[in-house]
Amino acid sequence: EADIYQTPRYLVIGTGKKITLECSQTMGHDKMYWYQQDPGMELHLIHYSYGVNSTEKGDLSSESTVSRIRTEHFPLTLESARPSHTSQYLCASSEPSTGDGNTIYFGEGSWLTVV
Amino acid sequence: KNQVEQSPQSLIILEGKNCTLQCNYTVSPFSNLRWYKQDTGRGPVSLTIMTFSENTKSNGRYTATLDADTKQSSLHITASQLSDSASYICVVSDRGSTLGRLYFGRGTQLTVWP
Repeated sequence: EADIYQTPRYLVIGTGKKITLECSQTMGHDKMYWYQQDPGMELHLIHYSYGVNSTEKGDLSSESTVSRIRTEHFPLTLESARPSHTSQYLCASSEPSTGDGNTIYFGEGSWLTVV
Repeated sequence: KNQVEQSPQSLIILEGKNCTLQCNYTVSPFSNLRWYKQDTGRGPVSLTIMTFSENTKSNGRYTATLDADTKQSSLHITASQLSDSASYICVVSDRGSTLGRLYFGRGTQLTVWP
């Protein structure tokens, strides 16, 4: 059972609004990730973090920003939402090395609709 | 270009029947291959993880195989249940960086009918 939580699960907001998607994990994992997934499509990495005060951009260009002030918390922020940001956002975490097959745990996802 | 291709895109089977899902990849250098189950509107849940030296791994009614020579994997589901209806995602990790970059397939959407 994964101890990684995302809020909100579903959100509808207007264009231009600022939104923060919350992600918390209680497993003490150093590595955390944000993925974006459109229906029927593959997950795309948009941000990741190796630990506190470490943040990197992923493969897919995103106008969102992230912060990692505490190990357990990895929020994602959109300063000015647009309809093109409508998507599912998945947070994940893992133990230090994914190279040797450590499990990556996903949250339940946050469905964002920008109108 | 590193890619992960899954087939079929979608599959409908009757409850109690078996099925096999396919995953072909071109990721190199290869590190490990994972199968995830993703229920509609939920996050993916890990089913199996296989490294280069493993060619089969089971998790209950799920059995994954890996042929690292042909770069193919399959996920076999035995005696399907209605709760097996979900998207099954193949994820391949490379060995090229400390991050262990992940390459995701688009998934096979499985529907189990009563």
